[in-house]
This record gives sequence, structure tokens and C-alpha cells, in this order.
Amino acid sequence: QKEVEQNSGPLSVPEGAIASLNCTYSDRGSQSFFWYRQYSGKSPELIMSIYSNGDKEDGRFTAQLNKASQYVSLLIRDSQPSDSATYLCAVSTGAGKSTFGDGTTLTVKP
Amino acid sequence: GAVVSQHPSWVICKSGTSVKIECRSLDFQATTMFWYRQFPKQSLMLMATSNEGSKATYEQGVEKDKFLINHASLTLSTLTVTSAHPEDSSFYICSARGSPGAQGTEAFFGQGTRLTVV
Repeated sequence: QKEVEQNSGPLSVPEGAIASLNCTYSDRGSQSFFWYRQYSGKSPELIMSIYSNGDKEDGRFTAQLNKASQYVSLLIRDSQPSDSATYLCAVSTGAGKSTFGDGTTLTVKP
Repeated sequence: GAVVSQHPSWVICKSGTSVKIECRSLDFQATTMFWYRQFPKQSLMLMATSNEGSKATYEQGVEKDKFLINHASLTLSTLTVTSAHPEDSSFYICSARGSPGAQGTEAFFGQGTRLTVV
């Protein structure tokens, strides 16, 4: 079992729709959870971080964390073609070292 | 977010030569820096963690004599790929973090270095 698993893609949604990205993790000691966006050939860019159970909203992005279920998700509302990228879920135990999932590639079709 | 600068952004070198990649935190002191490698269509794989002034901690399977890491100051870490071979061709990315052990402190990524060994 991988330490961090993401739903296999690719995921395709029409422009304006909600994109839902999911991630599960195996280490119950995990404390910090991050979503990164990575465009092809570029470095990852942090878009959301979440540390406690519940929802965290930032603009069109909402991260949801459920530590009991070891589950974290990212919702993108009003998806735009510019959101097309690979989204990486990362989980940290608190020492700063993060473990990344394999990523989910999202395509938003105009 | 904080700014991490990585240089060069791409490099082509001959097999058997060494390549040095620099990672700088521009507006904060990075007590910890991480070096990742990413092959095409794969996720980031952590190679090593370095703390300023101490030896790097390498992940299992990463040759420390081949991938030399130096973190001599709070704003600079370097990765040297020694005696590079074509299989070392990859995208190398550094990230830097400010406060050691502080829960919730994000690490910020450099732009990455695409290494091609011919």
C-alpha cells in the first residue's frame, strides 16, 4: 500500500463545473496536508494547506480533511481551463518531510 | 508565499562529468531543505533532507557518494551529481522550510532543474 494514494486520473470536467480530487494516506501520525498544482515541465506550486478536520476555503478552492478516515480532498469550483494541471497531494508527519501521491491530472475543457 | 530560487533551470552534460545545482531561499532563512527527483509522469521522490550545518539525511536507495549535498548557510543548499550517467537524467527540485519542527510550516519549491546527461 502506498503511503499517499490519489484517485487515478485523468479527470476531465467541463468549464464551470466542480472538480473533485481525492487523497488517502496511511500514516495516522500525519499532521499537515497540502495540495500542490504542477504544470507540465514546471515545479509544484502550493495552493492549499490544511491541518485540522473540516473544510478550508480559499477562493475557488476548498480543502477537506477527515483524519478519522485518513482522507483529504480538494474541490475546485467554477473550473477554468487554466486549472488544467496535475494536482499533487502531500502529507507530512510534522518533521517537514512530505510524502507525495502520484498526482491526478485534471483537464478542464472549454 | 516565500521565494526559493533554483539554478540552473536546465543543464546538459556529458556522461561522467559532475553537475552542481543551487537552491537559495531569497526572503527567509531555510533551516531545512529537501531535494527531490521526478521522472516523467511520476511523482516527486524525496532524495535527501539537509539541515544547515549538518550532514544530509539520504532516503533509502539514494547513493550519498553520488549525490553530494551541502547546506552551508541558512539560504543556500547545493546538490552535486557526480559522475553523471544518462539514467540520472531527471527533473531535480529543491524545497525549503523555515522553522524546524514547526507544525504546519509549508515548504516552498524552487523552479526545478532539468538535467540531461548525454
